[in-house]
Order: sequence, then C-alpha cells, then structure tokens
Amino acid sequence: DSGVTQTPKHLITATGQRVTLRCSPRSGDLSVYWYQQSLDQGLQFLIQYYNGEERAKGNILERFSAQQFPDLHSELNLSSLELGDSALYFCASSAETGSGNTIYFGEGSWLTVV
Amino acid sequence: GENVEQHPSTLSVQEGDSAVIKCTYSDSASNYFPWYKQELGKRPQLIIDIRSNVGEKKDQRIAVTLNKTAKHFSLHITETQPEDSAVYFCAASRAGAGNMLTFGGGTRLMVKP
Repeated sequence: DSGVTQTPKHLITATGQRVTLRCSPRSGDLSVYWYQQSLDQGLQFLIQYYNGEERAKGNILERFSAQQFPDLHSELNLSSLELGDSALYFCASSAETGSGNTIYFGEGSWLTVV
Repeated sequence: GENVEQHPSTLSVQEGDSAVIKCTYSDSASNYFPWYKQELGKRPQLIIDIRSNVGEKKDQRIAVTLNKTAKHFSLHITETQPEDSAVYFCAASRAGAGNMLTFGGGTRLMVKP
C-alpha cells in the first residue's frame, strides 16, 4: 500500500458523459500528479499540482481539468468522454516538487467509456 | 521536451539468468532516473533510482547504471525469479520542470521457471 488513495476503482460510463476521479495523497505529501495509462500509449503525464497550485502540465486534453484542494486532495475531471479516453488513470504523490523526490502511485481508476 | 526510449519491449529469460533493460533519454538536463515495476493491473512501484551525480547503484539483485555522456541508463536484474515477471518502466525528470516523470514505453519481462 503506497498510501495514495484513489476513487473510484472502476467506472463505466457512456460517451459524452463527464466523470470525476478523486485522489488523496500520502500523508504529508504536497505534490500530486495525474498519469494516464492506455495500452498503446504507456504512462503519459497529464498534470502536476503542488500545494494547491498547478506546477507542470503535460499532454492533457482541454476536455480534462484538475485541481488540488486546500486539504491537498485532488480531482481529475474528464468531460465529453470519448471511447479513446478509456484507460487506467493513476494519481501519484511526492513530498515536494523538486526533481528526485520519490513519486508514489495509487492503485488507479479504471475508466471504461462505452 | 524529454523523450525516453526503452528496449527491448519484451524480454524472456530462464529463471536464474540475468536480465538487462536499456533506456536512452534526450534532455541533457535530466538528473533523476527511477525504475518502476508494474504487475498486471497494479500500480507502478519504484524499485530503484539513480541521480545524475552517481554512475551506478545496487540494491541486492537489482542494479542501475547511468552514462550521462551517452545519455543512457540500464537496469540489471541478476538471478531472476518468476516473481520478477512484470512490466518495467524507466523514467527521467529534470530540475526546473516540477517533478514530472517522462516514462519509457515499458519492457515486459517474463521469467520462465
């Protein structure tokens, strides 16, 4: 158990819908990351937050948005869902934001868009 | 941006043999190189990492080497066991880019008993 908690574990939804994935980082960790893992794309970085502020942005679609709340939990919002958005979405956390801080992954949220 | 390439994509070895996975990176400013192991349907778990001021690091049966000049790093697993079977990912990050990891494409390691 990494200490990073993600909900829901599994989610099935229809195209065009909107879902919210939730993440609680390890106790004391200030930085939260979101990664997408699909079969043909490997682990793709989406976005990073540090202490409530956006810190780095990857190839995150405009239909996707995220935020980190004052209690440090984070949510990833996926809207206008398409079949290609089906993937395993990982949240991860680290104590600080500098390069070299160990990143711990949660168990992931499986999203299936039908 | 950073690009990390990983080879081979699949690797099959006999139990007890060694396994080597290689990665190259493009950004010379990258300074942190972790390796993650991911079992089917599970989360990636850090198994070893190396920083750019070190050339080699070892932890029991696992070692990582880094060649900054050539911009490549490798994972070495000795005396492989069936429980080493998993997908292994290399990654790189650089100072000044948050702590964003760019991952390689992964290597599926199969250890045959």
